Amino acid sequence: NAGVTQTPKFRVLKTGQSMTLLCAQDMNHEYMYWYRQDPGMGLRLIHYSVGEGTTAKGEVPDGYNVSRLKKQNFLLGLESAAPSQTSVYFCASSLGTEAFFGQGTRLTVV
Amino acid sequence: DAKTTQPNSMESNEEEPVHLPCNHSTISGTDYIHWYRQLPSQGPEYVIHGLTSNVNNRMASLAIAEDRKSSTLILHRATLRDAAVYYCILRDATSTASKLTFGTGTRLQVML
Repeated sequence: NAGVTQTPKFRVLKTGQSMTLLCAQDMNHEYMYWYRQDPGMGLRLIHYSVGEGTTAKGEVPDGYNVSRLKKQNFLLGLESAAPSQTSVYFCASSLGTEAFFGQGTRLTVV
Repeated sequence: DAKTTQPNSMESNEEEPVHLPCNHSTISGTDYIHWYRQLPSQGPEYVIHGLTSNVNNRMASLAIAEDRKSSTLILHRATLRDAAVYYCILRDATSTASKLTFGTGTRLQVML
């Protein structure tokens, strides 16, 4: 039982490049989330999904897009990366009570 | 969302109990009190949650004040592996998708 798996674990992007972060969960959870965490701060919600085919904006959605084509996968896209998007990104899933988090993706935009 | 207030950092000696406080004076009747912790270089992990009554599980105990305006996470015997940032979070049971709003938490250091 893998839980929540994030791909990739590390990535360096040049300003203006695009990329997609993949989150996969094997617990049949309805809810999935993308957070970012900057140094010394708590996690901030970027986007979330309440089920397959649905997405919604969180606290800091600008510069990001998401898709939930399959229940088990939640994709986070950066269309044109900026240095301000340098951060650690965490994906999570939940049935409504306990949330399970992935190990994070460390993204650096230079 | 109702907010929580936690000390920035705390220290504990190994093998001793640790009491991590959290104030949430604006808590509403539908807010559950959740605790998560984040070990170094890892994602947060669930610790415990409660509504009104004290709760115990294999990781910790949660003591909730009678007026629900504060709570305390209790680690009964701290180990070096408990060194982490502990987040106290209010989750509105009626909100869409059970979103969690993280503050900056309490950084717990465990000393030998």
